[in-house]
Amino acid sequence: AQSVTQLDSHVSVSEGTPVLLRCNYSSSYSPSLFWYVQHPNKGLQLLLKYTSAATLVKGINGFEAEFKKSETSFHLTKPSAHMSDAAEYFCVVSLFNQAGTALIFGKGTTLSVSS
Amino acid sequence: EAQVTQNPRYLITVTGKKLTVTCSQNMNHEYMSWYRQDPGLGLRQIYYSMNVEVTDKGDVPEGYKVSRKEKRNFPLILESPSPNQTSLYFCASSLSVRTNYGYTFGSGTRLTVV
Repeated sequence: AQSVTQLDSHVSVSEGTPVLLRCNYSSSYSPSLFWYVQHPNKGLQLLLKYTSAATLVKGINGFEAEFKKSETSFHLTKPSAHMSDAAEYFCVVSLFNQAGTALIFGKGTTLSVSS
Repeated sequence: EAQVTQNPRYLITVTGKKLTVTCSQNMNHEYMSWYRQDPGLGLRQIYYSMNVEVTDKGDVPEGYKVSRKEKRNFPLILESPSPNQTSLYFCASSLSVRTNYGYTFGSGTRLTVV
């Protein structure tokens, strides 16, 4: 069965310090993995995606994520947090097979950034 | 501008009164899907559509209906809404689910059923 686990429901950092949002996945297939961000009262915006090309994926706003097959992880990082990064972040795995298709969402990690 | 448009953004209704949430995309995407977002549960898929006239159930389809009569539109229908359908709903589309282009989401519809 495919699943996504975001290991922290809430992460708090200070402005200018590194951000690490952790995600582990379980998939019987070679997965496609995504990170989405949701700012308060907004829709979901794609930050970055992994689709079996380079394992280090760079996204928008300085975020990047590394796909580690041996660890079944896809952690999101940013070297220096900004106040505008405060939002909810979702790790997502894309499943497509003969049975159908779905995006499987993690339960989300709320990132708080203090000055 | 390429986008997914949902209407309405906010809706308060009473139990049992049929409602439709519209979703339209202008990107000629094959794949469309509906999700609901609830605190602590993330997003869960309600229904999806691989193409015109092709729809299938997601993880939480009970109490919902959809139709895909034309490529750009994918309305979500609640025939008899109940309070447990109070949620934030998102429509999403993708060029083709097979190629993992990623998904474009609408801005959401916050539904309250009283």
